[in-house]
Amino acid sequence: TQLLEQSPQFLSIQEGENLTVYCNSSSVFSSLQWYRQEPGEGPVLLVTVVTGGEVKKLKRLTFQFGDARKDSSLHITAAQPGDTGLYLCAGAGAGGTSYGKLTFGQGTILTVHP
Amino acid sequence: NAGVMQNPRHLVRRRGQEARLRCSPMKGHSHVYWYRQLPEEGLKFMVYLQKENIIDESGMPKERFSAEFPKEGPSILRIQQVVRGDSAAYFCASSPSGLAGENQYFGPGTRLTVL
Repeated sequence: TQLLEQSPQFLSIQEGENLTVYCNSSSVFSSLQWYRQEPGEGPVLLVTVVTGGEVKKLKRLTFQFGDARKDSSLHITAAQPGDTGLYLCAGAGAGGTSYGKLTFGQGTILTVHP
Repeated sequence: NAGVMQNPRHLVRRRGQEARLRCSPMKGHSHVYWYRQLPEEGLKFMVYLQKENIIDESGMPKERFSAEFPKEGPSILRIQQVVRGDSAAYFCASSPSGLAGENQYFGPGTRLTVL
């Protein structure tokens, strides 16, 4: 079983602070996807990273895929209350699987206080 | 351009009844994945289908659960003789070609409650 360990599980910060969420595995993935999920809704795709060492930026969010494609991080700069939500990482292609069967981390519940 | 659609959004069944969950992928997508999110647990893969083919059903319970994706119409996840432990949110996702590096888009989910 390929596992993705996501940390921290909970994060409570003040508006304007920076934060980083980590996603680690002993398995190599072909790609890593980050999602955000609101209560009662489905996960919404934020980004897909596919190349070891890749860095992608989406406004105040920076995503990095580790060189060995076993880990990833999500960094948010100057967090805002609107960033509050559940953040999920998910890996595809573990064990040489060619299709997009996703293995999810446990999620990080982020709360940003005004 | 409509996203992934799922219906119903909420489904209540009594123990022993059947539940049918439908998923229409994004336009142009012919690959569908089903995931289950149990209360207080993360999302877990259930099954991966292409049109008229089940490619990987390794995450789906062997009994009472089945899935199909016919040539025409939505993908269906069927749960026979539901039990309380089947209560969960069921999500489907779609992608254009099913490759591991592709974006995968999720529907809003069906929340199944078994009384």
